[in-house]
Amino acid sequence: GAVVSQHPSWVICKSGTSVKIECRSLDFQATTMFWYRQFPKQSLMLMATSNEGSKATYEQGVEKDKFLINHASLTLSTLTVTSAHPEDSSFYICSAHSPSAGGNQETQYFGPGTRLLVL
Amino acid sequence: GESVGLHLPTLSVQEGDNSIINCAYSNSASDYFIWYKQESGKGPQFIIDIRSNMDKRQGQRVTVLLNKTVKHLSLQIAATQPGDSAVYFCAENSGYSTLTFGKGTMLLVSP
Repeated sequence: GAVVSQHPSWVICKSGTSVKIECRSLDFQATTMFWYRQFPKQSLMLMATSNEGSKATYEQGVEKDKFLINHASLTLSTLTVTSAHPEDSSFYICSAHSPSAGGNQETQYFGPGTRLLVL
Repeated sequence: GESVGLHLPTLSVQEGDNSIINCAYSNSASDYFIWYKQESGKGPQFIIDIRSNMDKRQGQRVTVLLNKTVKHLSLQIAATQPGDSAVYFCAENSGYSTLTFGKGTMLLVSP
């Protein structure tokens, strides 16, 4: 139980294009989803928190117009990297949280990540 | 998050040894802590958690110890196996369901 998927698992795009990453909770309804970014040999950095049906809350320093987050349903959140540039190349990971997923109320279940390479 | 630098602390052990991975957390108000395992190219995987009203919790081959006085968390892995090789992160929850991750420790297990 508590499986989270991401699509695509990796993507290569040209500079200036937009890329959409999907995060799905497969066997539970996620009231909250989180988006993280991870650079090589570094820790996970929280980018934003999204609740179904409301606007995402962005961490300080994360541009909301560049990283568009939509949480349209209780099982799907999307992250769109707009006008991607090489410095946006990173490993993007989502997680989902819900009391109904089992475990402790605060437990986050992570997706497998999406590796983005912007040329 | 304050991760800096490109070199993760590394712990190298022999197969069968016990491993201890340490983590210092920053927020004395944090009341919930989790250890995650991350294999290369994959998302973090939940290992074990502990609440601040406990100082020890055991799972299968893993034990988490919490010392609130010095804000220190440790993960003990018994009889370490090559499949345990990964990066291990501690994470703290200080409210609002958000987690703050530590810098991570790479565990290398030699057969």
